[in-house]
Amino acid sequence: RKEVEQDPGPFNVPEGATVAFNCTYSNSASQSFFWYRQDCRKEPKLLMSVYSSGNEDGRFTAQLNRASQYISLLIRDSKLSDSATYLCVVNMRTGGFKTIFGAGTRLFVKA
Amino acid sequence: EAQVTQNPRYLITVTGKKLTVTCSQNMNHEYMSWYRQDPGLGLRQIYYSMNVEVTDKGDVPEGYKVSRKEKRNFPLILESPSPNQTSLYFCASSPQRNSNQPQHFGDGTRLSIL
Repeated sequence: RKEVEQDPGPFNVPEGATVAFNCTYSNSASQSFFWYRQDCRKEPKLLMSVYSSGNEDGRFTAQLNRASQYISLLIRDSKLSDSATYLCVVNMRTGGFKTIFGAGTRLFVKA
Repeated sequence: EAQVTQNPRYLITVTGKKLTVTCSQNMNHEYMSWYRQDPGLGLRQIYYSMNVEVTDKGDVPEGYKVSRKEKRNFPLILESPSPNQTSLYFCASSPQRNSNQPQHFGDGTRLSIL
């Protein structure tokens, strides 16, 4: 089993739709959680950090459930420019710390 | 401008010819890391460094070396490259040793080993 697993994609949605991405992690040493966005094999860019209390940034809402080891990302009112791959990322404490990426979920938003 | 700079951006080389990919950050970050990205496998961590002279293995360290002699630089060394190291490589850095800070990525280096 992979340490970080994401929904298989791709997701194809019309503009204006609400789309939800899910991610699960298996290692209880996991300490911090992020969603990144990656366009066409360019560098990943931070979308938002994820907290147990939940956090929102405009049309984006992220949630963490430590008991279920589950992370989510909700995008409301999808735009064409949201088309990208969304990466779930987990940092875990190992003396230092290691970073594990999910394989990513591809989103296509269509006009 | 705050950034992580990798060089070269693209390289085609042959099996066995030693190469170094440089990574430099100008943000005074303590933590630096190297990843490779392959289709269907996502990004996998090769090595990371918590601070100067402190490095540790990630998930796929075989065939790679790193060094951290200065805070700003974290070169990735392939002593004897092989075709299975053909990949897209990213360097990243973050401000602190604890795990709560997100990482900033360089633009990537596309390596082809023939």
